[in-house]
Amino acid sequence: DIQMTQSPSSVSASVGDRVTITCRATQGFSTWLVWYQQKPGKAPKLLIYAASSLQSGVPSRFSGSGSGTDFSLTISRLQPEDFATYYCQQGKSFPLTFGQGTRLEIK
Amino acid sequence: EVQLVESGGGFIEPGRSLRLSCTASGFSFGDYAMTWFRQAPGKGLEWVSFIRSKIYGGTTEYAASVKGRFTISRDDSKSIAYLQMNSLKTEDTALYYCARESIAPNGNHAFDIWGQGTMVTVSS
Repeated sequence: DIQMTQSPSSVSASVGDRVTITCRATQGFSTWLVWYQQKPGKAPKLLIYAASSLQSGVPSRFSGSGSGTDFSLTISRLQPEDFATYYCQQGKSFPLTFGQGTRLEIK
Repeated sequence: EVQLVESGGGFIEPGRSLRLSCTASGFSFGDYAMTWFRQAPGKGLEWVSFIRSKIYGGTTEYAASVKGRFTISRDDSKSIAYLQMNSLKTEDTALYYCARESIAPNGNHAFDIWGQGTMVTVSS
């Protein structure tokens, strides 16, 4: 199985800041990497697929990069609605696996 | 409106069975692969099971933790995906989400539409 490790587990930031979350896989898989945002009490929301493709309707301040084993999600100019938990997920092979999540909190 | 609605969750004793349903609307259900995820209280996301569309054989995949106990299926005529859960364990307690696989190019196993979830509590 491919294990996914996110860092940091939590981060505090202010509105307007730039934040980067990283995700590392135990084996390389090109760009089959997905990012989701989850707010309390809500279902996850697809942000990025194929490591860097922005899902329709997602603001352009979200961007993804990486390939192989190392990936990142960057949020430029944080907005109040961006404070949530973020998960990466590998789409290379079954079982599909997630990172443990990164909680983005308001400083 | 494109929508998924889960139902069938509840409180159940260990060893018993439960069937979850995921009712789709607003899109051509039969064209999409579907999956089930779960999230234990206060924990992260866990993939549970996946079913391909009929054009890809309708074949299925399972997490090791549920293989042999859970069965995913679909009824395209009703636009419903099911998760039959047998021999339930306390560790199956979670909010269960169904989700639609994106058909975007290179959107391999990315899930673009999620339901609101249905809670399953397994306890004696």
